[in-house]
Amino acid sequence: GAGVSQSPSNKVTEKGKDVELRCDPISGHTALYWYRQSLGQGLEFLIYFQGNSAPDKSGLPSDRFSAERTGGSVSTLTIQRTQQEDSAVYLCASSRNQGNAGELFFGEGSRLTVL
Amino acid sequence: KQEVTQIPAALSVPEGENLVLNCSFTDSAIYNLQWFRQDPGKGLTSLLLIQSSQREQTSGRLNASLDKSSGRSTLYIAASQPGDSATYLCAVVSSGNTGKLIFGQGTTLQVKP
Repeated sequence: GAGVSQSPSNKVTEKGKDVELRCDPISGHTALYWYRQSLGQGLEFLIYFQGNSAPDKSGLPSDRFSAERTGGSVSTLTIQRTQQEDSAVYLCASSRNQGNAGELFFGEGSRLTVL
Repeated sequence: KQEVTQIPAALSVPEGENLVLNCSFTDSAIYNLQWFRQDPGKGLTSLLLIQSSQREQTSGRLNASLDKSSGRSTLYIAASQPGDSATYLCAVVSSGNTGKLIFGQGTTLQVKP
């Protein structure tokens, strides 16, 4: 597609429910990243995919968070048993290049509110 | 551990002024530095990418410089316009081989007509 596409744009859920957030990167981009942006916390790295593998999961805050990527394209971030502190904007980015040379392009984000 | 700081946190200027946003990072061993713009409720738009071997990049009214040895970058905006009002974020890739960005907290700019 023309840009990074994320869905849903907004999600309101009750504490304890599971949520899935989807990211469709720019066509041909092999690298994919998930970030979280919380009020007062700035942008926080969650996970990095190169193709379908995730060589860096160091930013996932707990084992309630998981992500997968299939076909080297679409990625899904799953949060199980959501807590109020999970409320944030979840941003996805993709890059054409492997490693450290690439420019990252971000989607519009998925705003998650846990009641 | 790499830390990125942006000063000032907020800035308000009249239309037409030239202005400078500052970014500093604690570990000078970076691979690249990227400046982004974020409008309220929106994602990030990439403005400029400077590789570690470069000193500056220019795009229209924007010019970003990089001084790796001192751990600093500046974003210069010429002849500011109300449409430039947004939050500007600086981020660096500093370790590993994943292209992972470490972000500053941003500078929120308001350009008054």
